[in-house]
Amino acid sequence: RKEVEQDPGPFNVPEGATVAFNCTYSNSASQSFFWYRQDCRKEPKLLMSVYSSGNEDGRFTAQLNRASQYISLLIRDSKLSDSATYLCVVNRPRAGTYKYIFGTGTRLKVLA
Amino acid sequence: EAQVTQNPRYLITVTGKKLTVTCSQNMNHEYMSWYRQDPGLGLRQIYYSMNVEVTDKGDVPEGYKVSRKEKRNFPLILESPSPNQTSLYFCASSFGIQETQYFGPGTRLLVL
Repeated sequence: RKEVEQDPGPFNVPEGATVAFNCTYSNSASQSFFWYRQDCRKEPKLLMSVYSSGNEDGRFTAQLNRASQYISLLIRDSKLSDSATYLCVVNRPRAGTYKYIFGTGTRLKVLA
Repeated sequence: EAQVTQNPRYLITVTGKKLTVTCSQNMNHEYMSWYRQDPGLGLRQIYYSMNVEVTDKGDVPEGYKVSRKEKRNFPLILESPSPNQTSLYFCASSFGIQETQYFGPGTRLLVL
């Protein structure tokens, strides 16, 4: 079982739709959580960090559920430009330091 | 402009011919890391560095070397490349081990 798991998709949604992705992680000691966006084999770029109380940035909302060990990303009013792969990233302790673990990504296609 | 740069961006080489991929950041970040990205496997960490002269293995270090002689530079060395090292490589940096990582534009490597 992978330490960070995401549904690979693709999620095909019409413009204006609301779409949600989940990401589960297996290590309960994980400390930090992020959503990154990656366009077509370009570099990943931070979309948002995920805080315990949940956080919102415009049309994007991130939630953390520590009890069930998952994080979620909600995108409202989808735009064509939201088409990309969304990577879940978890940071957890390892050998006295920390380690970033990446999910394999969820692909989103927003259709006109 | 704050950025992570990598060179070369594209490289075709032959088995056994030593190569170096450079990575440089201008954000005074302490933490730097190298990843490779392969279809279906996501980003996997090759090596990381907590600071100058401090490096450690990631998940897939075999066949790679790194050095961190200056804070801004973190080159990736393939002493004897093999076809299974054909991949998309990303360098990343952050202020600390739990902070947001910033990625370079990627290096596409093909080993024949």
